This record gives sequence, structure tokens and C-alpha cells, in this order.
Amino acid sequence: AQRVTQPEKLLSVFKGAPVELKCNYSYSGSPELFWYVQYSRQRLQLLLRHISRESIKGFTADLNKGETSFHLKKPFAQEEDSAMYYCALYVQGAQKLVFGQGTRLTINP
Amino acid sequence: NAGVTQTPKFRVLKTGQSMTLLCAQDMNHEYMYWYRQDPGMGLRLIHYSVGEGTTAKGEVPDGYNVSRLKKQNFLLGLESAAPSQTSVYFCASSYSWGGTGANVLTFGAGSRLTVL
Repeated sequence: AQRVTQPEKLLSVFKGAPVELKCNYSYSGSPELFWYVQYSRQRLQLLLRHISRESIKGFTADLNKGETSFHLKKPFAQEEDSAMYYCALYVQGAQKLVFGQGTRLTINP
Repeated sequence: NAGVTQTPKFRVLKTGQSMTLLCAQDMNHEYMYWYRQDPGMGLRLIHYSVGEGTTAKGEVPDGYNVSRLKKQNFLLGLESAAPSQTSVYFCASSYSWGGTGANVLTFGAGSRLTVL
């Protein structure tokens, strides 16, 4: 069965420090993965997707099929990065997204 | 352009009462989804629809029913509300899904439901 695991419910780092949010997946097919973010009092929105290989707001995520991971990284955290982050896996055929449990990131000044 | 609109935004129910959450999108999206968000559980898919007149069960469908009579609307019903259904409910829609990954979910603002 397909599953997305985010092992950290809470993550707190200081401003300017590197940040890494972990995401592991279980899926028998070719994975298509996303990171969504929910800032305070805002709607859930797409942050980035692995297939685009892009950097958004300084964040990057690399798909590692060997480790079945899609960790989100940023070299220098900023206070505005504080938010809830969700990793998601697209399940082909079923045409749906499966989300992880989410990680609440807090950037301390 | 409103995107995805959910009504109501807040609702308090007593155990056993029924209610319907309405999701409307004005983007001509084919796919629509209902998720619930609970602390420590993340977002879990309740039901979804891949087109007008179709519905399918997600991960946690029990206690809920849905209908997609019109392409732009996706209704989530609770026939007999239970305290375990206290949650924040999110509706989302997508134009399509493809291997290029060009399509993503657009979310509503959420509906906070409390069942006493």
C-alpha cells in the first residue's frame, strides 16, 4: 500500500540555520512527490514538486529512490518559513494524493 | 476568480445531527477531493470524485457520504454526526493528473466542525 511518513511532528531551528524536513514514502510504482505548505491563516498551497526540479523560496527537495525519500531542505532558515509542511505522493491510476502526517516548522529569531 | 469555496466555515453539531458541507470551484476542474485534518494524523482523504456523477472512497470514508451532481460542486454529508468527526475539513480540486506532474491541488480555506 502507498504511504507517506514524516517522522517529525515538530521541528524548531534558529533563523539562519539549515533546515531539513524528512519525508519517506512507500510506493510500488514510479513516485511523483510534492511538498505542500500551510502558513498561519492561509490555505494549503503547493511549495514544490520533484518533477520540476525547482527551488521555491530557497527550498529544494531531491527524490532519492534508493532511500525512498524526498526530504525538503533550505540552507538558511527565515522566520517567514514557520508553517506546517506536508509531503504528498500522487497515486497513479487512483488519481489521488496521499499526504504525510505533517511537520510543524518553527523558526526562532 | 474565487477558486475553491467551502461553506460553512464553522459549525457546531450535537451527536446524531446531520449536516452537509458544500465545496464549489469555478475553475472547471474535473477532480475534487474531501480531506480531514487532525493533529498528528495529517491530511486524510475521505472521498473524492474524478468527474461529474462519480465518487470514490478514500482512506477514511466511514460515516460520510458525498455527491457530485454538478461538475463545480462536491458535497460532503454527515448523516449522524459523532464526536470522532470533530475536525477541520478541506476541499480541493485539480484540473487533471498527468505524468508530467503539471497539475496540482487547489485547496479551499477549510471548514471547522465540532461535534459535541
